[in-house]
Amino acid sequence: QSVLTQPPSVSAAPGQKVTISCSGSSSNIGNNDVSWYQQRSGTAPKLLIYDTNKRPSGSPDRFSGSKSGTSATLGITGLQTGDEADYYCVTWDSSLSAVVFGGGTKLTVL
Amino acid sequence: QVQLVESGGGLVRPGGSLRLSCAATGFPFSDYFMTWIRQAPGKGLEWVSSTSPNGMTTYYADSVKGRFTVHRDNAKNSLNLQMNSLGAEDTAIYYCARTFISIVLPPAAIHFDYWGQGALVTVSS
Repeated sequence: QSVLTQPPSVSAAPGQKVTISCSGSSSNIGNNDVSWYQQRSGTAPKLLIYDTNKRPSGSPDRFSGSKSGTSATLGITGLQTGDEADYYCVTWDSSLSAVVFGGGTKLTVL
Repeated sequence: QVQLVESGGGLVRPGGSLRLSCAATGFPFSDYFMTWIRQAPGKGLEWVSSTSPNGMTTYYADSVKGRFTVHRDNAKNSLNLQMNSLGAEDTAIYYCARTFISIVLPPAAIHFDYWGQGALVTVSS
């Protein structure tokens, strides 16, 4: 049971937009920044978004991050077949004094 | 370029010990927090442990506290994870990751910008 809750799966057609939610609490997302990772099958995770809404160099601008209250959202526009992967949210939990991960969301591009 | 290469994975019996290493190149290793993250077969990512640039401050997940010890050798640009009293639940791919962390003042922020390819640890009799 993850501290952060993500939908197990989402799907959309190529070219469409999809959002992935990450729900937490005031001790984590509510007061701290969030990062997002993409993990394609059989490979190491890759940083997509950090500090809730910033993109590292090399991360396409089709990826965006936002937060409202105790929930964070990853948005992906112009979906491509190469976006098929698992996506994870991460933040610091101030009550647990621990890093917490979401359970992951599998994105299928139909 | 930044490279992180894990080693030391393998098969170990329940109750046994194993030591993982992560060799870092391409950046000033002693300036960065470093983190171990694991992924059980078919499961999600799980944070294991993080250590400060000088190794004096360490954080552990409750699931490994008292059994795992993180250590870094800044002279050798190496991050290590000593794992004792291993159980089947510790079977996973273990990744090391370069870490940015700021938790003294809110909002706390943490992210992992470079990851190694992972080392597989299998605990089985």
